[in-house]
Amino acid sequence: SAVISQKPSRDICQRGTSLTIQCQVDSQVTMMFWYRQQPGQSLTLIATANQGSEATYESGFVIDKFPISRPNLTFSTLTVSNMSPEDSSIYLCSAQQGYEQYFGPGTRLTVT
Amino acid sequence: KNEVEQSPQNLTAQEGEFITINCSYSVGISALHWLQQHPGGGIVSLFMLSSGKKKHGRLIATINIQEKHSSLHITASHPRDSAVYICAAPWGATNKLIFGTGTLLAVQP
Repeated sequence: SAVISQKPSRDICQRGTSLTIQCQVDSQVTMMFWYRQQPGQSLTLIATANQGSEATYESGFVIDKFPISRPNLTFSTLTVSNMSPEDSSIYLCSAQQGYEQYFGPGTRLTVT
Repeated sequence: KNEVEQSPQNLTAQEGEFITINCSYSVGISALHWLQQHPGGGIVSLFMLSSGKKKHGRLIATINIQEKHSSLHITASHPRDSAVYICAAPWGATNKLIFGTGTLLAVQP
């Protein structure tokens, strides 16, 4: 199994600023994903974080708004850039080993 | 139409009741996940199953691949079971998850 930690667990940010969320896995994993969950909604995949190359973004998400890094097989960051109140969500990191999926505790972001 | 659908969307039960949450999917999958999300937002993976039935404590998950249907059962429900339960299907070459809309369960003492 894999244990995932995220930092920060929550933050309140001002419009126009950026926040970087860190995701640490306690073992090497092949795939890492970033999800967003807007209030009252289900999870939506933002991108797949690829080790050693650019992330693969889903439709509606772009690198300029959500830059992602994955420097190794256990760590990834997601930056929410130039934030607006619409970015207020829970952001979740996920890791995959085989068919098993593991989730981080989430980062609850409020943009004022 | 969502490719993964859950029912009911909301469920209120009395402590001790037997609970069933259903998940139907239209995509071709080899496995299905049941997840639990508590109010704080963190998600816990309850089951990943590709056939038959799995049991963990008071939780039981079943899947019928041919009928594209899965159920999550909770026996002797307790208020601490109150959470959102989500089914999710890995799909495509990267096995990215397609999520159901979730079932909000409230178990009252």
